[in-house]
Amino acid sequence: ETGVTQSPTHLIKTRGQQVTLRCSSQSGHNTVSWYQQALGQGPQFIFQYYREEENGRGNFPPRFSGLQFPNYSSELNVNALELDDSALYLCASSEKEGRGEKLFFGSGTQLSVL
Amino acid sequence: AQSVSQHNHHVILSEAASLELGCNYSYGGTVNLFWYVQYPGQHLQLLLKYFSGDPLVKGIKGFEAEFIKSKFSFNLRKPSVQWSDTAEYFCAVRPSGSARQLTFGSGTQLTVLP
Repeated sequence: ETGVTQSPTHLIKTRGQQVTLRCSSQSGHNTVSWYQQALGQGPQFIFQYYREEENGRGNFPPRFSGLQFPNYSSELNVNALELDDSALYLCASSEKEGRGEKLFFGSGTQLSVL
Repeated sequence: AQSVSQHNHHVILSEAASLELGCNYSYGGTVNLFWYVQYPGQHLQLLLKYFSGDPLVKGIKGFEAEFIKSKFSFNLRKPSVQWSDTAEYFCAVRPSGSARQLTFGSGTQLTVLP
């Protein structure tokens, strides 16, 4: 077990809707990263939060947004869902902005967009 | 931007066979390299990592990887696989000193037959 928990585990939405995914990071970790893993692909970096501020962003449109809270838990919000947003969304926590430290991944939220 | 190629999408071996999974990356500077493993129904977890020093790194469960800078490669090896090694293996790269994202390859599914 990594200590990183994500909710919900599965979610079904329709195109155009909005979704919020949640992540509780491992105790003592102040950095959270979000990844999208499409079927048959490796995880793709969405963004990272460090001490409640966005600290890096991958090639994802602005309708993907996030938050980190004072307890270092995090949310990923996706607006105007598209069919291609169907994927496994992974949260990973780490210490020290992730620099030189390993990531601890959660089990993910499987999002299906119909 | 960096990229990672894993040439083998699916590898099938018998127990006790030797394993080598290929990983090549593209990046003009110094990198940190990682192998992650995802066992069926479990979260992604770190197998081993290379930051600097000895290019032959040893990880958990008898795995090792060799960084060959001239070939931009970081191949994963194990002398004798077990049925329990059945999993998906991901190679990942990050610019050295960067606090930000890992770039993952598309993964290699390893199936070990008993």
